[in-house]
Amino acid sequence: DTEVTQTPKHLVMGMTNKKSLKCEQHMGHRAMYWYKQKAKKPPELMFVYSYEKLSINESVPSRFSPECPNSSLLNLHLHALQPEDSALYLCASSQGAETYGYTFGSGTRLTVV
Amino acid sequence: QQQVKQSPQSLIVQKGGISIINCAYENTAFDYFPWYQQFPGKGPALLIAIRPDVSEKKEGRFTISFNKSAKQFSLHIMDSQPGDSATYFCAASLLGNEKLTFGTGTRLTIIP
Repeated sequence: DTEVTQTPKHLVMGMTNKKSLKCEQHMGHRAMYWYKQKAKKPPELMFVYSYEKLSINESVPSRFSPECPNSSLLNLHLHALQPEDSALYLCASSQGAETYGYTFGSGTRLTVV
Repeated sequence: QQQVKQSPQSLIVQKGGISIINCAYENTAFDYFPWYQQFPGKGPALLIAIRPDVSEKKEGRFTISFNKSAKQFSLHIMDSQPGDSATYFCAASLLGNEKLTFGTGTRLTIIP
């Protein structure tokens, strides 16, 4: 299995809702990432988990809350989002800082209304 | 010093032609330079990557040229096909650092 699977593919949520994005990989990768991508822009790093511990938080607002239940799963909990948070949210994984190469998922297209 | 500059922003190439996308970096400590291809509604997919100890790497129709002294690298797509129409991102990273620094992207369109 060489894939990163993200669910759901599309999500529409109101500004008062709570929702979660899920990401799963079974490649034995030890680092997992959340990226945010706006239209016609490159992906922007949000969080990095290395060996199930949060290693990088790129000053992301607290309405985004990551969670890494185990080495294969990564969640992003969303609460009280703003319309400007609408974007493609990408999960990625890699073997860790000691090696190269990311594998990205197909993303969750999030619309905040 | 962490920036990667990419050009052009958009590119239109005729089918069968050569597509060339350029990137320049500032941080001389970068030691891994991948190119990602992204189709609409999909995540980026690794296309080809190079390390600074070689000047060129070829995989099929895709070639990376690397100029360490100029701190530049480029992607060449030979015999460009309509299926190559996508957004291409160059990137750079450091061994031991989990962050990937992306270029701004190039939207490539191959016309018949």
